[in-house]
Amino acid sequence: SQTIHQWPATLVQPVGSPLSLECTVEGTSNPNLYWYRQAAGRGLQLLFYSVGIGQISSEVPQNLSASRPQDRQFILSSKKLLLSDSGFYLCAWSLGSLTYEQYFGPGTRLTVT
Amino acid sequence: AQTVTQSQPEMSVQEAETVTLSCTYDTSESNYYLFWYKQPPSRQMILVIRQEAYKQQNATENRFSVNFQKAAKSFSLKISDSQLGDTAMYFCAFMRGSGAGSYQLTFGKGTKLSVIP
Repeated sequence: SQTIHQWPATLVQPVGSPLSLECTVEGTSNPNLYWYRQAAGRGLQLLFYSVGIGQISSEVPQNLSASRPQDRQFILSSKKLLLSDSGFYLCAWSLGSLTYEQYFGPGTRLTVT
Repeated sequence: AQTVTQSQPEMSVQEAETVTLSCTYDTSESNYYLFWYKQPPSRQMILVIRQEAYKQQNATENRFSVNFQKAAKSFSLKISDSQLGDTAMYFCAFMRGSGAGSYQLTFGKGTKLSVIP
């Protein structure tokens, strides 16, 4: 069966510091991968998605970037964090045209101080 | 652009009773998918049920069922025999079935459901 991992689970970082959140999927090949952010009391906002290694699409221009160095690895980064980057970050995967369901990881709670 | 609206920010239901959560959406697409996700206090998003727009039959998963009204662009979730473990945020989500932007979920703002013992 497929599983998705995210780390770290929680993170507290000062403004201006760099960020690296990692997501890995096990048990499947060539998944579509997604990064979402959930601000307090709000729904999920799609940040980035990837249909293959090195292929990244950005939905919202912002302080963040994403990379996919391996088939089942998706990384969310920032060079300098802003207070507004605080939130709950969720990674998800799907199998593209084979099925449309997206399955989510446990998430990372990021607090920028 | 597609929009998803959940008009009930909070709801409560007695244990073992039935509750219906509302969702409406706006799209000009004919090929799309609709989903309900559950987010318990652990914050992990869990897929509850999905509906293909081309199917007239309403989807059902155990105690969860939907009422899909395509013409009215309505997609409500009914939870029967509510259990304490159903306490969570519930999100309605839309996905285009083809073309640019497909595979991307658009979420509503959620409905917080509390099951009361």
